[in-house]
Amino acid sequence: DAGVIQSPRHEVTEMGQEVTLRCKPISGHDYLFWYRQTMMRGLELLIYFNNNVPIDDSGMPEDRFSAKMPNASFSTLKIQPSEPRDSAVYFCASSFQGTLMGSEQFFGPGTRLTVL
Amino acid sequence: GQQVMQIPQYQHVQEGEDFTTYCNSSTTLSNIQWYKQRPGGHPVFLIQLVKSGEVKKQKRLTFQFGEAKKNSSLHITATQTTDVGTYFCAGREGNTPLVFGKGTRLSVIA
Repeated sequence: DAGVIQSPRHEVTEMGQEVTLRCKPISGHDYLFWYRQTMMRGLELLIYFNNNVPIDDSGMPEDRFSAKMPNASFSTLKIQPSEPRDSAVYFCASSFQGTLMGSEQFFGPGTRLTVL
Repeated sequence: GQQVMQIPQYQHVQEGEDFTTYCNSSTTLSNIQWYKQRPGGHPVFLIQLVKSGEVKKQKRLTFQFGEAKKNSSLHITATQTTDVGTYFCAGREGNTPLVFGKGTRLSVIA
């Protein structure tokens, strides 16, 4: 298995532009998570899906952020319009949580976003 | 809401010295996981602890879960340069999503 795949790996954009980050989870995993990592705030959970359905988006910073999961093998995180304070590394992770206690999360390589 | 605090934030050790990072939760956890992130990399799962007082070992790494299930520790014996990275604990309360600590960044001086 190739693991969790994210694209692009690096994105540099100007303030006000729309940014779309993409993620392909590991096949068979039923949970997908989007995280944002910064030095100041650490690793923050933005939103997570179970069987393609958004369960909790309370971590999404504001309405400029949106996420979709149209099918089990693809998810997007969109920022529109982007702002310099959105600069961070965005990770997608997936897991198979067949038990109530959950299981390990597999992280993708991340997308390093820089908003100028 | 649930918070997971991790100390120290940074640790610099000489190669061969031991290293310990501590994790404390504001609430009782159902389980705790530990991850390692190499510089420029992504978090990679190390282990999960579920039982009160549980101790698990992976070669030079020893993981403990407190009796009250509110704290945990990771101890590395005789650090090596390959241990460099940031170690995160992540706790779960009930069936809620994992909450990650801010991590401890370990530097090993050869």
